[in-house]
Amino acid sequence: AQSVTQLGSHVSVSEGALVLLRCNYSSSVPPYLFWYVQYPNQGLQLLLKYTSAATLVKGINGFEAEFKKSETSFHLTKPSAHMSDAAEYFCAVNRDDKIIFGKGTRLHILP
Amino acid sequence: NAGVMQNPRHLVRRRGQEARLRCSPMKGHSHVYWYRQLPEEGLKFMVYLQKENIIDESGMPKERFSAEFPKEGPSILRIQQVVRGDSAAYFCASSPLGDGRNSPLHFGNGTRLTVT
Repeated sequence: AQSVTQLGSHVSVSEGALVLLRCNYSSSVPPYLFWYVQYPNQGLQLLLKYTSAATLVKGINGFEAEFKKSETSFHLTKPSAHMSDAAEYFCAVNRDDKIIFGKGTRLHILP
Repeated sequence: NAGVMQNPRHLVRRRGQEARLRCSPMKGHSHVYWYRQLPEEGLKFMVYLQKENIIDESGMPKERFSAEFPKEGPSILRIQQVVRGDSAAYFCASSPLGDGRNSPLHFGNGTRLTVT
């Protein structure tokens, strides 16, 4: 069954540094993959989604993710972190018409 | 253009009481999903409903938990005889189509249930 694994429950980066949040998927068929962001005391918002149209997917707020079939990965990146990026990020995959989430990675931005 | 509305935002119940969580999907959305979030555990799928139908309840505990999405009115997640372990944030999400692929989920801000 499709699932995702996020490596690192907490990641800290300095403001202006590269953000890299890791996600690996397990799927017997090409999956649909998503990244969502959750700010404190709010619900989740969609950052971007992969639907097999292109391996490099651009999302909102300067984030992008690259689908690598050979590595079964869908890592999220942003070239330069901003203080407002501090939040929890969830990788997700579709399974049987529902979305299954990873355990999340909390991103901390250091001044 | 209201988003997904959940109420109450915070709910405190004593052990043994009932908790009723409400979710009004976005206008035009007929598919509702409920998730439970615990710290360090991410979101756990509970149930997927369409109007008057439960499509997938594979994530719902077999006892004390039930969900409905009537023809009129909000979706309701009901927890009977709450226990401390039910304390969590419960999120509702809606989508216009239920295919889980081309229809990203729109989330409410959640209901934080505390059982004392």
